[in-house]
Amino acid sequence: NAGVMQNPRHLVRRRGQEARLRCSPMKGHSHVYWYRQLPEEGLKFMVYLQKENIIDESGMPKERFSAEFPKEGPSILRIQQVVRGDSAAYFCASSPRPGLAGVLSYEQYFGPGTRLTVT
Amino acid sequence: DQQVKQNSPSLSVQEGRISILNCDYTNSMFDYFLWYKKYPAEGPTFLISISSIKDKNEDGRFTVFLNKSAKHLSLHIVPSQPGDSAVYFCAVQTGANNLFFGTGTRLTVIP
Repeated sequence: NAGVMQNPRHLVRRRGQEARLRCSPMKGHSHVYWYRQLPEEGLKFMVYLQKENIIDESGMPKERFSAEFPKEGPSILRIQQVVRGDSAAYFCASSPRPGLAGVLSYEQYFGPGTRLTVT
Repeated sequence: DQQVKQNSPSLSVQEGRISILNCDYTNSMFDYFLWYKKYPAEGPTFLISISSIKDKNEDGRFTVFLNKSAKHLSLHIVPSQPGDSAVYFCAVQTGANNLFFGTGTRLTVIP
């Protein structure tokens, strides 16, 4: 059973270009989460998606960032007009279903990450 | 606003001894707590978790303790092994959605 797949593993973009990061969840998982890790910091939640739905995007910057999880294919995190401050490791995680607050939770399984460098 | 804090950025322990990693959180509404381990250039790997209805959970060499009144979480690894050397993140969850991560503690186990 393959784990969470992310590609590319490394991505270099010039300022102003677009970055597209892909995430294929584990087989049987329909919930996807994106996190960003800036240098010397912990992971910060960005967005939570189910198939064709954005459930929680409270951690996503309001401009230039968007995410989707189509019915078919991987989840995509898109960053338009990248700036140097976007340089970070972007991790995707998946879970089979959400938990039930206070009762049950399902662990999130992480992919290897995409390291974005903006020059 | 850091809701989860790991105040020790690094920890060195001799092989065979106990490693204790600590984590403090601010929001008493958090109801699920997890520890992840991360090697360089890899994604975090789930290690162990605990629900707020418990105060201890054990899995082999790893034990997580939860002190709700102090809003404090700790991970004990005993005996520590060189392969345990990694960055350890505590994470908390509420509402069954996103995780809030601490900034991590780099554990080095010295052979």
